[in-house]
Amino acid sequence: SQQGEEDPQALSIQEGENATMNCSYKTSINNLQWYRQNSGRGLVHLILIRSNEREKHSGRLRVTLDTSKKSSSLLITASRAADTASYFCATASNAGNMLTFGGGTRLMVKP
Amino acid sequence: GAVVSQHPSWVICKSGTSVKIECRSLDFQATTMFWYRQFPKQSLMLMATSNEGSKATYEQGVEKDKFLINHASLTLSTLTVTSAHPEDSSFYICRGAGRTSTDTQYFGPGTRLTVL
Repeated sequence: SQQGEEDPQALSIQEGENATMNCSYKTSINNLQWYRQNSGRGLVHLILIRSNEREKHSGRLRVTLDTSKKSSSLLITASRAADTASYFCATASNAGNMLTFGGGTRLMVKP
Repeated sequence: GAVVSQHPSWVICKSGTSVKIECRSLDFQATTMFWYRQFPKQSLMLMATSNEGSKATYEQGVEKDKFLINHASLTLSTLTVTSAHPEDSSFYICRGAGRTSTDTQYFGPGTRLTVL
């Protein structure tokens, strides 16, 4: 079952703009992960943030986590056409193996 | 990082055919394999979890006799879609996890199944 809800479901921006995607979840988590998926392709792991972390950066990516609100956000700065993809959050409820995916955000970056 | 491969990457078959999808962990021992299904423009839905040498645990609504999972070794798990029908057309993705894996999740590249 899906735990996470993502919004927006679809986002269309111009190249160079920032893109923000949000993810909410319902139960307590050990960590939260963001993935990218190009159309018809596999998942690419972007970033993992643990429940005791509030913010994490990786290149043009910035992820925040608010465990009190059970929500996370993914910010892509200075977007590029190549960032066009679907983005999913996934929560891990323990330090083991179960991942539960959100519904995803389809991002389109127009050149 | 660890690599998980899937074979085939794309299969087209006639209705009624049984299709086997292989998932291999190439450089680690996957004690647990997860199988997901993804319909177009939708998220991944967990189908089943299998531990090496044990029967798979299926999620609610997933028919175990329809989707046969075998995880006989630490490097290979197979998903067989029996008597496939057009509604089984989907993207199937496996994920491997080892005994000591905590954070990193090793996904296979996925298998696209098209049933005519």
